Amino acid sequence: AQKVTQAQTEISVVEKEDVTLDCVYETRDTTYYLFWYKQPPSGELVFLIRRNSFDEQNEISGRYSWNFQKSTSSFNFTITASQVVDSAVYFCALSDPRFKAAGNKLTFGGGTRVLVKP
Amino acid sequence: NAGVTQTPKFRILKIGQSMTLQCAQDMNHNYMYWYRQDPGMGLKLIYYSVGAGITDKGEVPNGYNVSRSTTEDFPLRLELAAPSQTSVYFCASSYLVSGELFFGEGSRLTVL
Repeated sequence: AQKVTQAQTEISVVEKEDVTLDCVYETRDTTYYLFWYKQPPSGELVFLIRRNSFDEQNEISGRYSWNFQKSTSSFNFTITASQVVDSAVYFCALSDPRFKAAGNKLTFGGGTRVLVKP
Repeated sequence: NAGVTQTPKFRILKIGQSMTLQCAQDMNHNYMYWYRQDPGMGLKLIYYSVGAGITDKGEVPNGYNVSRSTTEDFPLRLELAAPSQTSVYFCASSYLVSGELFFGEGSRLTVL
């Protein structure tokens, strides 16, 4: 069975500090997709990134960066120079490759709450 | 750009009542999903659909039913509401089988 573990339940930082969110996943398949979503206090879910299991290049988007290491089954997310607006719950998710014909069923981690203090 | 629209946003039910959560998307996505999010937890898949007329169970389908008569709509029916169904419900859709999910704003349901 697939599993996504976000061991950090809550992280508190002061503005401008960097923060790294860990995500470890379990899957038997060699082809899968990994996702990160942001859930701000307003409650909606905002898509941040999708990564194919064959693409191990790190990615940077503004203050956000992602480190994908297939060897350790990890897909960590770093916010550089955090801002108060980054305060949210962040979810890592894994697609279920056994159901390629059945849509993109995602398995979510439990989420990490990030609190950025001014 | 409406995207995925869910109604109602909030609802309080008494134990044993039934209701339908509505979900509509205007992006012509074939794939649609219902997830629930319990307090402090991640999302769990209730039901999903790969197209009009085709639905299937997810991880936590008990106590729920769905239908998909059109590409746009994917309502979730709660029969005989129980306190364990108190949760925030999210509807989502995707275009590609491996693509990102677009989520609605969520429907907060409380069963008392």
